[in-house]
Amino acid sequence: DQQVKQNSPSLSVQEGRISILNCDYTNSMFDYFLWYKKYPAEGPTFLISISSIKDKNEDGRFTVFLNKSAKHLSLHIVPSQPGDSAVYFCAASGGINDYKLSFGAGTTVTVRA
Amino acid sequence: GAVVSQHPSRVICKSGTSVKIECRSLDFQATTMFWYRQFPKQSLMLMATSNEGSKATYEQGVEKDKFLINHASLTLSTLTVTSAHPEDSSFYICSASEQGANSNQPQHFGDGTRLSIL
Repeated sequence: DQQVKQNSPSLSVQEGRISILNCDYTNSMFDYFLWYKKYPAEGPTFLISISSIKDKNEDGRFTVFLNKSAKHLSLHIVPSQPGDSAVYFCAASGGINDYKLSFGAGTTVTVRA
Repeated sequence: GAVVSQHPSRVICKSGTSVKIECRSLDFQATTMFWYRQFPKQSLMLMATSNEGSKATYEQGVEKDKFLINHASLTLSTLTVTSAHPEDSSFYICSASEQGANSNQPQHFGDGTRLSIL
């Protein structure tokens, strides 16, 4: 049973514009969320995270928004750059003592020059 | 930053062969390592969690006798796919946490191993 869902398998955006990636989850026990970025033939690298006590976390061009009532989070990348072209995975875990990460299926972002 | 090295990156072998995949944390000690499996266009699925010096904890549906995990040191975990068959063909990837099993520490991933069983 997929507890973390990324319903858009792909996203194409113009360089300089905003990329918005969406993620939904079903498990109300999740309280820590992460985004990972993956290039071909490489492992995922950690991008940004957010705890359930917050609704926004920003790091440079990357901002993650969390809407707990809707069980939804999103990743905003602005401005998008060609190097941002990659697969982005949303992941969630259920608390400080729960190390298990549940991943979404990923969204492939293509930034057009 | 924390680096996790996974080897080999690709394996092609005959059915019935056992394959060992290594996962090393290069610049930190990893008391906990994780093994995932990914099918095409699907998410990473956690197979098992390995803790240094103790038995691995397997997720439901994962055969522990099929997928042997050893975590003999703070920098090395191995996954052995025993008597591999074509249905075991997949992308296997490991990750490690720097400070043990704490969800607030981002996991650092290896580059994965593409296993193809003929």
